[in-house]
Amino acid sequence: SQTIHQWPATLVQPVGSPLSLECTVEGTSNPNLYWYRQAAGRGLQLLFYSVGIGQISSEVPQNLSASRPQDRQFILSSKKLLLSDSGFYLCAWGSGQGLAYGYTFGSGTRLTVV
Amino acid sequence: AQSVTQPDIHITVSEGASLELRCNYSYGATPYLFWYVQSPGQGLQLLLKYFSGDTLVQGIKGFEAEFKRSQSSFNLRKPSVHWSDAAEYFCAVGAVSSASKIIFGSGTRLSIRP
Repeated sequence: SQTIHQWPATLVQPVGSPLSLECTVEGTSNPNLYWYRQAAGRGLQLLFYSVGIGQISSEVPQNLSASRPQDRQFILSSKKLLLSDSGFYLCAWGSGQGLAYGYTFGSGTRLTVV
Repeated sequence: AQSVTQPDIHITVSEGASLELRCNYSYGATPYLFWYVQSPGQGLQLLLKYFSGDTLVQGIKGFEAEFKRSQSSFNLRKPSVHWSDAAEYFCAVGAVSSASKIIFGSGTRLSIRP
């Protein structure tokens, strides 16, 4: 069966420090991969998506970047964190064949920038 | 582009009472529609989905939703809520494309009164 792993679960980082969040998927190939952010008391904002290795699309301008070095690995990064980067980050995967099964989400990373 | 509106930010219902969470979407074609649930500090779990066929769909945990094209709505219902249903509920709409992006509403927080 397909599983999705996201780590770390929680992270406290100082302003100006770098960031690397990792997401990996098992049990499927050629998935579409997505990064969402959930700010306190708000909905989910789509940040990046990827339909293949090295293919990254950004939905909103921001201080973050994403990479997909392998088929089932998706990384969210920043060179210098801002206070406004705090939030709950969720990785998700979807079938490259369409939306019939929706997305499967990871358990999320709570990022606090101090 | 697709969009989703959940007009109720927070709803409180008594245990055993019926529940209806509202969702309105905007999309030019027949949408893929989803309801997800999020427990505090957790990822999202798919409750149910609709993309064709019977407009009344059944999901997990006793939830159901009805697609009404004329009203652009996909409201979530449950005949009798349990204390364990307290969570955040997200309605979402997906667009069929190579990226298969899903856009989420801002969520409705459900509290259960004993």
